[in-house]
Formats: sequence, structure tokens, C-alpha cells
Amino acid sequence: GAVVSQHPSWVICKSGTSVKIECRSLDFQATTMFWYRQFPKQSLMLMATSNEGSKATYEQGVEKDKFLINHASLTLSTLTVTSAHPEDSSFYICSAPPQGARELRAAKNIQYFGAGTRLSVL
Amino acid sequence: AQSVAQPEDQVNVAEGNPLTVKCTYSVSGNPYLFWYVQYPNRGLQFLLKYITGDNLVKGSYGFEAEFNKSQTSFHLKKPSALVSDSALYFCAVRGINNAGNMLTFGGGTRLMVKP
Repeated sequence: GAVVSQHPSWVICKSGTSVKIECRSLDFQATTMFWYRQFPKQSLMLMATSNEGSKATYEQGVEKDKFLINHASLTLSTLTVTSAHPEDSSFYICSAPPQGARELRAAKNIQYFGAGTRLSVL
Repeated sequence: AQSVAQPEDQVNVAEGNPLTVKCTYSVSGNPYLFWYVQYPNRGLQFLLKYITGDNLVKGSYGFEAEFNKSQTSFHLKKPSALVSDSALYFCAVRGINNAGNMLTFGGGTRLMVKP
């Protein structure tokens, strides 16, 4: 079945540094990918929708300059947390739903998730 | 706008007993409904979905869910709980006309199965 690979799974960084998280669709093309943030014991909060070849769409309250999203190809989206601070520490998860009628039928409407990245900012 | 409600933050059940994790939804038109499970420090794993057809949907690990259109509910059930079922469960909905395929998640319910 379709797989979404997310890397790294865990990152620890110093305050003020930038961290890049990659999300790859391994056996299907994803013109759209979603980035979520999850705080401990809470649900997933949609941060932004990554669109291949165009600007990402950010949810209200999410800082565009803080969370840079690049969707340069049909299989790769990256989230860069710039000038990270301890309050950015969280679990970040990407998702790649199948697009197009054929892909939707093949994937049976299942949205695939990466394994998540735990970011700890010291 | 679409929304999902999981009214229970935590459900406790003894091993071998049946379990139910509740979910209600709100969406325009017919819904696509999903259940995902999350283990500690892991991403979400797909359990089951309702798209169309039979209201009772069977999924992975012996879980099933019943779609009830009149009550706008999609409760997750299992006849006999296992300790290994302990995890965080998310209900999600996508409107059939949602061209972006965006899922909206409930707040999650922590299932604790005790031996």
C-alpha cells in the first residue's frame, strides 16, 4: 500500500536554530500534503496545506515566516521551523492524501500519515 | 464547515470486555468517516472507514464501527478488548465535496485496557 515517509523521527536542537522536516510519498504522487502539529495528549491541529508548485496555505494563527513549507516535487514536502524556540517543541505529522479519481479509488479514500517528528528545542 | 466530536477524553475497560469509543460528526452532505489509532510517539495508523454501503464497517485488529446517519455518529467498537489496544484513538471526517481531501479530526480518546 501507499506509504508516507517522514524524516527525522526525533530531533533535538538549540534555541535559535532551524530544523527541516521532510515528508515523502513513496509510491504515489501527492500534489497536496498536510502538516499537522500535535501537543501532548491533544488532537492534531492542521497547520498548513502544502501545494506542489505553489505557495502553501496556512491555517489561521500559524506564522508563515516561522513555519516555512516547500513542496518542490510531487513526492516531497518540507517543513522548516525557523529560529526554533522551546515553545515550538511538539510532535509534527505530515499527511499525503491521494489525489485524482483514479488514485482515490486505488487508495480507497485512505489518507496516509507519516510516522511523525518529535521536535525538542532546548 | 465540518467538525468531529469525541465526548470522552478517556475510556477505561477491563481486558475481555467490550469497548465503545464514541464519535459524532457534522458535515455538509454525505460524509467519509475514518478511525485512526496512535501509539506513543508514532504517527497515525488507519483502522477503518465508512464511505458508502453497509452501516457496520469492519476494520483492523477486530475493530468495527457503525455509521448512524440519523444520529450523525460513527462509534468505534470491539467485542473483546485487549491490553494491547491501549492507545489514542481519533475519529475523522471528510466531506464528500471536499476537493482538498482534508480530514478534520476529533479531539481523541485515550483507551486504557487493564488486565
